[in-house]
Amino acid sequence: TQLLEQSPQFLSIQEGENLTVYCNSSSVFSSLQWYRQEPGEGPVLLVTVVTGGEVKKLKRLTFQFGDARKDSSLHITAAQPGDTGLYLCAGDGSGTSYGKLTFGQGTILTVHP
Amino acid sequence: KAGVTQTPRYLIKTRGQQVTLSCSPISGHRSVSWYQQTPGQGLQFLFEYFSETQRNKGNFPGRFSGRQFSNSRSEMNVSTLELGDSALYLCASSFGTDLHEQYFGPGTRLTVT
Repeated sequence: TQLLEQSPQFLSIQEGENLTVYCNSSSVFSSLQWYRQEPGEGPVLLVTVVTGGEVKKLKRLTFQFGDARKDSSLHITAAQPGDTGLYLCAGDGSGTSYGKLTFGQGTILTVHP
Repeated sequence: KAGVTQTPRYLIKTRGQQVTLSCSPISGHRSVSWYQQTPGQGLQFLFEYFSETQRNKGNFPGRFSGRQFSNSRSEMNVSTLELGDSALYLCASSFGTDLHEQYFGPGTRLTVT
């Protein structure tokens, strides 16, 4: 069974601060996705990283995939109240687990104005 | 392009009953996956259907089943409901090839009393 540990579980910060969310596993993933979910809605895909060491930027969000494809991080610069939500990482398995997404427990981010 | 739709949005059932949830994927998407989301366990993969065949299955009891129709629409059935089945059930669609990027519907909130 592939597991993804996400940390921290909760993050409460002031507008303008920077933050990093981590996603770690002992398993190798063929790709890793990050989603953001708001109350009453389904998760929305933010980015997919595929290559070990890959870095992708989406405005103030920076995503990194570990060299060994076992971990990932999401860094938000100058957080804004609109960034508030549940952030989820999801790994796509390899081998017989290919196509079976494993989700982390999520990080609840609250950005105060 | 219309997003993933799920019906019904809310459902209240009694222990021992059965329930059927419906999902219409994004046009052109051939893969439909189902997930269960609870505060304690997070987002857990139930199963994936691709071209009317179950391609992947998570670790849920046989009371949870699904099917996919020729138009890619999918249904999920839970028989002999238990209190612990209370959750948000999310459907997600994707092209089903290479990167399994999920496009989620808003979910069905099931409450078992």
